[in-house]
Amino acid sequence: QKEVEQNSGPLSVPEGAIASLNCTYSDRVSQSFFWYRQYSGKSPELIMSIYSNGDKEDGRFTAQLNKASQYVSLLIRDSQPSDSATYLCAVNTGNQFYFGTGTSLTVIP
Amino acid sequence: EAGVAQSPRYKIIEKRQSVAFWCNPISGHATLYWYQQILGQGPKLLIQFQNNGVVDDSQLPKDRFSAERLKGVDSTLKIQPAKLEDSAVYLCASRHTGHGSYNEQFFGPGTRLTVL
Repeated sequence: QKEVEQNSGPLSVPEGAIASLNCTYSDRVSQSFFWYRQYSGKSPELIMSIYSNGDKEDGRFTAQLNKASQYVSLLIRDSQPSDSATYLCAVNTGNQFYFGTGTSLTVIP
Repeated sequence: EAGVAQSPRYKIIEKRQSVAFWCNPISGHATLYWYQQILGQGPKLLIQFQNNGVVDDSQLPKDRFSAERLKGVDSTLKIQPAKLEDSAVYLCASRHTGHGSYNEQFFGPGTRLTVL
């Protein structure tokens, strides 16, 4: 059973702070890693993908991957109330994708 | 580029009735997924198609769920008969596969099913 685990949350941060979301996965041969944002009542929206060890930055978002530790994280800098959502970690192994249960983030104005 | 289309967006039925959901993937995307998402949980894969062939249906409750993608483009997911525990959002996603492509998958808006 391949597992993807995320920090349980809910997570609350003040506006302008850094939000840190964490994810671990069990399958060492996993190849690709994704972060999705899901607003309440909406479908998941892809915000970041990362394929190799290290950091990948896109605007206020930074994804970090450490394959040796089987760990992937998402940092959101200068958090905004519009970032309030559930963040899903997804791991791709071969043709299959495995999702975590999500971490709920609330950014407090 | 148009995204993944799904219909209907909402459906309310009584238990033991049947229901069907439709999905049209992003043009050119060979891989299509159906997920079930129960409130508070991550998406759970029901079935994966590569063109018109099934790649993985290991978590599809085959006694009541069926899916097809006859021409390798759009797909239909059916539930017959529905149970109360089938109340969930049914998400369709697609992914381009091929030389130089990444593994990103994109979701449609989903169909929210309520079984009474």
